[in-house]
Amino acid sequence: GAGVSQSPSNKVTEKGKDVELRCDPISGHTALYWYRQSLGQGLEFLIYFQGNSAPDKSGLPSDRFSAERTGGSVSTLTIQRTQQEDSAVYLCASSQGSMVPNEQFFGPGTRLTVL
Amino acid sequence: ILNVEQSPQSLHVQEGDSTNFTCSFPSSNFYALHWYRWETAKSPEALFVMTLNGDEKKKGRISATLNTKEGYSYLYIKGSQPEDSATYLCAFGARGKLIFGQGTELSVKP
Repeated sequence: GAGVSQSPSNKVTEKGKDVELRCDPISGHTALYWYRQSLGQGLEFLIYFQGNSAPDKSGLPSDRFSAERTGGSVSTLTIQRTQQEDSAVYLCASSQGSMVPNEQFFGPGTRLTVL
Repeated sequence: ILNVEQSPQSLHVQEGDSTNFTCSFPSSNFYALHWYRWETAKSPEALFVMTLNGDEKKKGRISATLNTKEGYSYLYIKGSQPEDSATYLCAFGARGKLIFGQGTELSVKP
């Protein structure tokens, strides 16, 4: 079956521009997560959505970052006024729910480069 | 602040060697411990999800153990093959989100 897909796979942008990253989760998965891996760092949690509940935004690094999930399916992560430190691989994951054991299935990621 | 530590950071072994990595995590408020394998240009792939103290999981030549009381998990690879080359990530399940360690990068030379 179809896994988690993300687009674009690569994005190069100039400092100060806004970018949108898209995630299509596995059909039927109610939970959706965004993580990122900056150079030399581990995977860092950004935000997660569970059903109709308010999202957990505790990992967003600044107010330039926002995310939405429309119709309980597709999600868009938006970074406004990009900075060079935003360069990273952005990964999306989905799961059937957020209860233990909560196995998360990852997409291939979007590699963002801010010049 | 939840902290997950992995060691070693990188490992270079010869084909046929057996190897193991360590993941340490907070021993309080334990929910689950996840192991993922991440090959370059691919999606992280789930290996194991472990929830019970003393749990042992096995998939082919790869196995993992869990000690929730002391807060550590070991991942073992028996008879490493070049296709095992990847970054192995452990993650502590915490109220939905996963808190990842920095990973162990394994390189297996033929």
